[in-house]
Amino acid sequence: EVQLVESGGGLVQPGGSLRLSCAASGFTFSSYDMHWVRQATGKGLEWVSAIGTAGDTYYPGSVKGRFTISRENAKNSLYLQMNSLRAGDTAVYYCAREGPSGQAAFDIWGQGTMVTVSS
Amino acid sequence: QSALTQPASVSGSPGQSITISCTGTSSDVGSYNLVSWYQQHPGKAPKLMIYEVSKRPSGVSNRFSGSKSGNTASLTISGLQAEDEADYYCCSYAGSRSWVFGGGTKLTVL
Repeated sequence: EVQLVESGGGLVQPGGSLRLSCAASGFTFSSYDMHWVRQATGKGLEWVSAIGTAGDTYYPGSVKGRFTISRENAKNSLYLQMNSLRAGDTAVYYCAREGPSGQAAFDIWGQGTMVTVSS
Repeated sequence: QSALTQPASVSGSPGQSITISCTGTSSDVGSYNLVSWYQQHPGKAPKLMIYEVSKRPSGVSNRFSGSKSGNTASLTISGLQAEDEADYYCCSYAGSRSWVFGGGTKLTVL
């Protein structure tokens, strides 16, 4: 079964750091671009970061310079290092697989992990 | 980038058809045939329903269809069923390996 399982969420103080993990199974992880997408409670989805199969990384302005996406293909794992966290970063964070052949859509999603930034 | 614009809510009766619009700009929706749609039930992860404007992933009902004209994409659900009640999000590739989502539309099946 194709599956993504996130972990690492929790409560962190403003200005703090947190590292999220996403374990992939059921597919050849190294062959797919991967993403993080977040959703604040009661709000819409927001694309947070992407990493290509070659390790190239991409971010929107809202997290650039604070968040770092990485992958470890040998462990079928995706990571998101979040630094200088703000209250506005409070959300459920999903990892998602980008579908094949440049379709630029997210075809597999994890169940999400909650990040709360509060003092 | 600014979020794509979707209606906050739509509703329809069982068996009817509804359409959800998603308006972007010439930099995202208007430039790429890379619009996708996601269904999200409360407390669940989003599910891909449409990709590349009008293609359905395996397993998605053919009651779901997508289209695009200019800077506006649309999702149509025909033969509305109770299980279709959910939030729906559009998403567009916006160039330079960036993506933008819509604000979401709550579908109520009356």
